[in-house]
Amino acid sequence: QKEVEQNSGPLSVPEGAIASLNCTYSDRGSQSFFWYRQYSGKSPELIMSIYSNGDKEDGRFTAQLNKASQYVSLLIRDSQPSDSATYLCALHTGGFKTIFGAGTRLFVKA
Amino acid sequence: SQTIHQWPATLVQPVGSPLSLECTVEGTSNPNLYWYRQAAGRGLQLLFYSIGIGQISSEVPQNLSASRPQDRQFILSSKKLLLSDSGFYLCAWDRGRNTGELFFGEGSRLTVL
Repeated sequence: QKEVEQNSGPLSVPEGAIASLNCTYSDRGSQSFFWYRQYSGKSPELIMSIYSNGDKEDGRFTAQLNKASQYVSLLIRDSQPSDSATYLCALHTGGFKTIFGAGTRLFVKA
Repeated sequence: SQTIHQWPATLVQPVGSPLSLECTVEGTSNPNLYWYRQAAGRGLQLLFYSIGIGQISSEVPQNLSASRPQDRQFILSSKKLLLSDSGFYLCAWDRGRNTGELFFGEGSRLTVL
């Protein structure tokens, strides 16, 4: 079992819709969870961090964490074509290693 | 503000040739520095991290090495490249608090032929 699993996609949503990206992980000791956005050919950019169960909102982005189910998600409201990118889920277990999923490609249709 | 730079941005190298990728951080001191590699369609793989000058930890045994000659400089090297070394190499830093929040440089895309 991979440490961080994501559906590779592509996930296609129309402009203005809610995009829902999901991620599961295997290490129950994971303490911190992150979502990175990576445009094609570019480096990843941190967009959300979440540390405790529940929801965390930042603008159009909401991260959701459920440690009991080992599940973290990212919701993007009012999706825009500029949101089209690969979204990487990542977790940190307290050492110096941040573990990344392979990413979900999101395509927002204008 | 803090910035991180990598170079070269793109390079094509023959099998068996050496490699040197450089990363520098500005606007901060004593950062934790990381080298990751991203192969096509795969997640980021941690290669090395460093908590200070001369302090290197290797996560994956391979023909790559890393050095940190100065506080804000991190170098990835190889004496002889393999085809499997192709990928997108990313340098990253955190704020030294080891929270897992990483900030990446622009990346170096290596193609080994």
